[in-house]
Amino acid sequence: RKEVEQDPGPFNVPEGATVAFNCTYSNSASQSFFWYRQDCRKEPKLLMSVYSSGNEDGRFTAQLNRASQYISLLIRDSKLSDSATYLCVVNVATGGFKTIFGAGTRLFVKA
Amino acid sequence: DGGITQSPKYLFRKEGQNVTLSCEQNLNHDAMYWYRQDPGQGLRLIYYSQIVNDFQKGDIAEGYSVSREKKESFPLTVTSAQKNPTAFYLCASSRDRNRELFFGEGSRLTVL
Repeated sequence: RKEVEQDPGPFNVPEGATVAFNCTYSNSASQSFFWYRQDCRKEPKLLMSVYSSGNEDGRFTAQLNRASQYISLLIRDSKLSDSATYLCVVNVATGGFKTIFGAGTRLFVKA
Repeated sequence: DGGITQSPKYLFRKEGQNVTLSCEQNLNHDAMYWYRQDPGQGLRLIYYSQIVNDFQKGDIAEGYSVSREKKESFPLTVTSAQKNPTAFYLCASSRDRNRELFFGEGSRLTVL
């Protein structure tokens, strides 16, 4: 089993749709959680950190469920410019820390 | 503007040649990393460094070497021992290992 697993995708949605991405992690020593966005042939960019209380940034909402070891990202009112790959990232305490990337979920938003 | 600068953006290499990819950051971050990404694949850690003059192997260090002589700089050398070096190389930094990563724009290496 992979340490961080994401929905395989791709997701194809119309503009204006609400789309949710799920991510599960296997290591209970996971300490911090993030969603990154990666455009084709570009570097990943931090979209948002994920906090236990949940957090929102405009159309984006991230939630963390430590009991179920599950992270989600909700995008409301999808725009064409939201088309990208979304990466779930987890930092695990292993003596030091280890950063583990999910394989990513590709989103296509169509007009 | 603070950030991470990678160079060159595109690089072509003949088989058997070593190449060095540059990574410089002015974010005053202690930790720096090198990742490799192959088409349609996730990121794999090559090397990381938490402080100057110290670095650790990641998951795929074979055929690569690094140095960390200055806090701002973490160059990666792709040696001729790396059997399949064609890939997208990403440098990143963070304040410490439990914080978010900031990436450079990447260097795309092609072996001819």
